[in-house]
Amino acid sequence: GQQLNQSPQSMFIQEGEDVSMNCTSSSIFNTWLWYKQDPGEGPVLLIALYKAGELTSNGRLTAQFGITRKDSFLNISASIPSDVGIYFCAGLSGIQGAQKLVFGQGTRLTINP
Amino acid sequence: SAVISQKPSRDICQRGTSLTIQCQVDSQVTMMFWYRQQPGQSLTLIATANQGSEATYESGFVIDKFPISRPNLTFSTLTVSNMSPEDSSIYLCSVGGRYDTGELFFGEGSRLTVL
Repeated sequence: GQQLNQSPQSMFIQEGEDVSMNCTSSSIFNTWLWYKQDPGEGPVLLIALYKAGELTSNGRLTAQFGITRKDSFLNISASIPSDVGIYFCAGLSGIQGAQKLVFGQGTRLTINP
Repeated sequence: SAVISQKPSRDICQRGTSLTIQCQVDSQVTMMFWYRQQPGQSLTLIATANQGSEATYESGFVIDKFPISRPNLTFSTLTVSNMSPEDSSIYLCSVGGRYDTGELFFGEGSRLTVL
């Protein structure tokens, strides 16, 4: 089946640093999504990307849909303590009405104050 | 986005028993999705539940183990049957966005621990 390779698996950074994570796949996706999951919570959608090459920002977050449609990255600028959590990429494939969302393995972000 | 409520939020279960998880959405949705998240792992789709038809299961998941009901457009249940410790996971209900652009929105999940 389709798989997403997300890296890095974990990051330990200082508050204020910028963060970058990415997802790659051997398959083409129609949509790329980035989620954040806090402990004890369900994943929350951060950014959605619909077109190859699209670059989208949401506050300090910036994400891009790779031109080949097989990859995406998420950047977080000037990290703050509430950025701590697990970040998942997800790719959507298939035709409308039969689409499936495949998730990456997640990137666990830890911030040292 | 829709507001999704799951019950129970967590439970501790005995081996061999079954537990039914409920998912309530505050608006009518065509498709509801059930995911499993094993400890420290990513999310894996169990099945897609459409109102008025049988759920569609992903490879590795079967109806006898994970029966699903979808009695109306705002509600679904997932039963984890004959549980074993390997079933200890977070089970998440999700629905699509209003404009069917592919985004999924998740409930808070039901954390099951099987002893």
